Amino acid sequence: EAQVTQNPRYLITVTGKKLTVTCSQNMNHEYMSWYRQDPGLGLRQIYYSMNVEVTDKGDVPEGYKVSRKEKRNFPLILESPSPNQTSLYFCASSLRDGVYGYTFGSGTRLTVV
Amino acid sequence: AQSVTQLDSQVPVFEEAPVELRCNYSSSVSVYLFWYVQYPNQGLQLLLKYLSGSTLVKGINGFEAEFNKSQTSFHLRKPSVHISDTAEYFCAVSSASKIIFGSGTRLSIRP
Repeated sequence: EAQVTQNPRYLITVTGKKLTVTCSQNMNHEYMSWYRQDPGLGLRQIYYSMNVEVTDKGDVPEGYKVSRKEKRNFPLILESPSPNQTSLYFCASSLRDGVYGYTFGSGTRLTVV
Repeated sequence: AQSVTQLDSQVPVFEEAPVELRCNYSSSVSVYLFWYVQYPNQGLQLLLKYLSGSTLVKGINGFEAEFNKSQTSFHLRKPSVHISDTAEYFCAVSSASKIIFGSGTRLSIRP
């Protein structure tokens, strides 16, 4: 089944403790992206990647890092999480820069206390 | 710069009634337009998309949308809603590797 898999689904952590949210797709998509969803703000792009070793900032990249060492994986790293990063995070992939529509993961609900 | 405006944050409607969810966009270049649906505790699913051609686009679950270039709108419609359509709906605009989502419209269906 074609899908984007995110882990974990739920995560509660403390301020400053480094964490990684994993994202993997099995569709050989070139384009991958991370979004955060907050009430009333819709989805805001954090980082995206056009292909292996090619990443770029989205609209809200501060406090996040990404890497794209393999085509299928695109982890999101929070080096020192803060409470304002409490949010619902989605990974998405697309055949080519989103033109044909994204496939989204099921989401990761992160709480930073 | 692109922007997307979903004019209604919430739309309540009775079951079997018609519904329209409004979306307006602004862009200085040609765009592609999308509607996504998010059911409770799930990720977003693509409902329909406009890339080119006919301005009336049909999607899954009986939804359709009409691209109106002069009014820069892409409103989503369904002639008769069902309880299972309860979800949040997002309009999105893409061009030149940039995709922007609207803030979402929560559709609630009353029996």
